[in-house]
Amino acid sequence: DQQVKQNSPSLSVQEGRISILNCDYTNSMFDYFLWYKKYPAEGPTFLISISSIKDKNEDGRFTVFLNKSAKHLSLHIVPSQPGDSAVYFCAASGSDYKLSFGAGTTVTVRA
Amino acid sequence: EAGVTQFPSHSVIEKGQTVTLRCDPISGHDNLYWYRRVMGKEIKFLLHFVKESKQDESGMPNNRFLAERTGGTYSTLKVQPAELEDSGVYFCASSQGVLYGYTFGSGTRLTVV
Repeated sequence: DQQVKQNSPSLSVQEGRISILNCDYTNSMFDYFLWYKKYPAEGPTFLISISSIKDKNEDGRFTVFLNKSAKHLSLHIVPSQPGDSAVYFCAASGSDYKLSFGAGTTVTVRA
Repeated sequence: EAGVTQFPSHSVIEKGQTVTLRCDPISGHDNLYWYRRVMGKEIKFLLHFVKESKQDESGMPNNRFLAERTGGTYSTLKVQPAELEDSGVYFCASSQGVLYGYTFGSGTRLTVV
């Protein structure tokens, strides 16, 4: 039973443009949401997070938006850079700190 | 500060054999987690240690998997006997207790043939 879904397996974007990654979840008990970035042969690296009491969190080029009523979050990367090419995982957690991940979205930034 | 170290990075074994994966967390991190990613799908939780105690092992697939963390330092994950469906990348992560301090290792890619 997959509780976190990333419905777009891949995304291709021009360098300098905005990348928008989407994530949906089903468990209303989730109260903390994270995005991880993963390069080949490496482990996931924490990128940005948001708690359920907020609807937006920004860190440099990365902004995460949370819509609790729709059980939807998104990650915006602007401007996109070649080094942003990676697999991005959405993850969610409740009070037990156990992370539920989506299947990932592979982002390719074209020069 | 050294990161989370996993060994081996790759392992190819035959069905029915035993494999032991090792994870060395960041020094001082009481929380240690095992996750697995199978066939490019989502990363799934296996279990969580707090020091040497199993806090949550609800994600362990079956009793062929045994995780230990003696002394609350490094952890091992043994698969015995291995089956084809056990193939995947096994990730270990550690934290000091705050969720955003979760640091992952590079993973062990296990292939059962």
